[in-house]
Amino acid sequence: GAGVSQSPRYKVAKRGQDVALRCDPISGHVSLFWYQQALGQGPEFLTYFQNEAQLDKSGLPSDRFFAERPEGSVSTLKIQRTQQEDSAVYLCASSPQGGFQQPQHFGDGTRLSIL
Amino acid sequence: QKEVEQNSGPLSVPEGAIASLNCTYSDRGSQSFFWYRQYSGKSPELIMSIYSNGDKEDGRFTAQLNKASQYVSLLIRDSQPSDSATYLCAAPGTNAGKSTFGDGTTLTVKP
Repeated sequence: GAGVSQSPRYKVAKRGQDVALRCDPISGHVSLFWYQQALGQGPEFLTYFQNEAQLDKSGLPSDRFFAERPEGSVSTLKIQRTQQEDSAVYLCASSPQGGFQQPQHFGDGTRLSIL
Repeated sequence: QKEVEQNSGPLSVPEGAIASLNCTYSDRGSQSFFWYRQYSGKSPELIMSIYSNGDKEDGRFTAQLNKASQYVSLLIRDSQPSDSATYLCAAPGTNAGKSTFGDGTTLTVKP
């Protein structure tokens, strides 16, 4: 498809397990963003890539969160030793150019539930 | 305090009425402003962008921007039940890599 693709759509894990969330942005898009969205709230910024470079990771809530985009296309968000407060929808977005002052195209998200 | 504030609502209007959604932002360095619509359980979808002071119209939607007042709004004319959703205001600030969203206003259009 032509849109941003995220997998899995749903993930259930036990507290303490590691999880990996995948994002496949629109082909050719330079910028890639990860967000965390809790129920009833807006998306909260986690991290930003311009091509393969992670230019901002100031929104990652702890060192248990790690993101990469090694070839400047597909990105993976990894959460180690998951906690119940990590339960949320994780959204990935991409945009054609570098920077953040432009519209973003969102994937359908991964709904993560930590038991 | 969030950098982007929206009335949480819920906002309820009858079908055919005008729905008015408001947003204020704190970063005077913001240069671009976006309205996204998010249906329940779905991802945000861009519906309007505005970059200059004044009004921008697209079909039934009008975005209004006042940088001096740090205020941006979205008007939906002839509201339809299919417009029922949460509307997110985004005002990217000067911090690198951030696109700051409000918590959204939930709109219900009653037939």
